[in-house]
Amino acid sequence: IQLTQSPSSLSASVGDRVTITCRASQGMSSSLAWYQQKPGRAPKLLIYGTSTLQSGVPSRFRGRGSGTDFNLTISSLQPEDFATYYCQHLNTNELTFGGGTKVDI
Amino acid sequence: EVQVVESGGGLVQPGGSLRLSCEASGFPFHNYGMNWVRQAPGRGLEWISFISSDSSIIYYTDSVKGRFTVSRDNAQNSMSLEMSGLRDDDTAVFFCAREMAFCSSNTCYHYYGMDVWGQGTTVTVSS
Repeated sequence: IQLTQSPSSLSASVGDRVTITCRASQGMSSSLAWYQQKPGRAPKLLIYGTSTLQSGVPSRFRGRGSGTDFNLTISSLQPEDFATYYCQHLNTNELTFGGGTKVDI
Repeated sequence: EVQVVESGGGLVQPGGSLRLSCEASGFPFHNYGMNWVRQAPGRGLEWISFISSDSSIIYYTDSVKGRFTVSRDNAQNSMSLEMSGLRDDDTAVFFCAREMAFCSSNTCYHYYGMDVWGQGTTVTVSS
């Protein structure tokens, strides 16, 4: 299964609502995770099981979706949210990442 | 503090070998699956290998099969990645990451994602 994220990059302002899409090449029965990565840093888990918020992650982050279409929404973008976001397919034998979406100012 | 720390990166010639290590602390290492993920310069994340908590289930992405070997030592709270036949396109930062995966028979069910990551170790393949 290939994961295609869109857009590959976007520009937004503080306070904006931002939605990132992750589309699977075929229908998925397994779940999805979302990560945030800032330059020179390790990725940080935001969401697992498609829609469950990792402990300590602000509630402005929301994950939804099923089948082939999944999305990550940031309800009100904060300065610390400018980063690159990756989806990941949590399959039984392959844990593919999407290509990433860079969110900048 | 819960953490994982990678080491062993460096400069290696094409065709050469290198062994990476991941040392875990602050959590019951033997209860968790572990992954290696890499990131080439300016590129996205690429998952490369998973090893179950008891080493009974291991899998790799296609591009490293036959060249990379993952192993772990639960007594030493450590995981290793033996890399051979290195190519220019293996140049990357290599991360190890913890994962709570549930394994039964020959299958692991991944649901919780990778929640603890190291800062990475850099591998450069160049002549």
